[in-house]
Amino acid sequence: EDQVTQSPEALRLQEGESSSLNCSYTVSGLRGLFWYRQDPGKGPEFLFTLYSAGEEKEKERLKATLTKKESFLHITAPKPEDSATYLCAVQAIAAGNKLTFGGGTRVLVKP
Amino acid sequence: NAGVTQTPKFRILKIGQSMTLQCTQDMNHNYMYWYRQDPGMGLKLIYYSVGAGITDKGEVPNGYNVSRSTTEDFPLRLELAAPSQTSVYFCASSPLPATSTDTQYFGPGTRLTVL
Repeated sequence: EDQVTQSPEALRLQEGESSSLNCSYTVSGLRGLFWYRQDPGKGPEFLFTLYSAGEEKEKERLKATLTKKESFLHITAPKPEDSATYLCAVQAIAAGNKLTFGGGTRVLVKP
Repeated sequence: NAGVTQTPKFRILKIGQSMTLQCTQDMNHNYMYWYRQDPGMGLKLIYYSVGAGITDKGEVPNGYNVSRSTTEDFPLRLELAAPSQTSVYFCASSPLPATSTDTQYFGPGTRLTVL
């Protein structure tokens, strides 16, 4: 069974204080790992897809990396508008297009 | 493009009532999905469809039914609502995959309370 565990569950940061979110996964053949951002009361918004170990992708203050067992979402010099829940999901080769989600990390950036 | 739209945004049901959650996408995506998200939890797949006329169960299908008569629409039916179905429901869609993965695009959600 595919599993995704995200840590920490919640993260409080001061504006400008960089940090990393972790997504550990077990999957029988990874097809892709996805990061989404979710604002309160809204649907998840796509951020990145990573396909193979060693791959990195960046978008503004966010950088996602992938190893064979985990992915990290680095937030560099965060701003209050980066406050959101960040969701990680994996897509297994045998699962077609289905995603398995982790529980998410709630990030609060204080000015 | 409106993307993925869902109606209603909020709904309160009494135990035993039935309702249909509507989902429409205008991106001509073949794949559509229904998820539920409980407080502090990730998303759980209820049902999905790979095209008109084809549906399949996800991780938590009990108490729900779906149909897919057109590419655009993928309604989710709740029969005999129970308090355990109190949740936020998200519809998503993705294009037909070629040789790689494809991103799922989500609607704004329907918040359902069963009392």
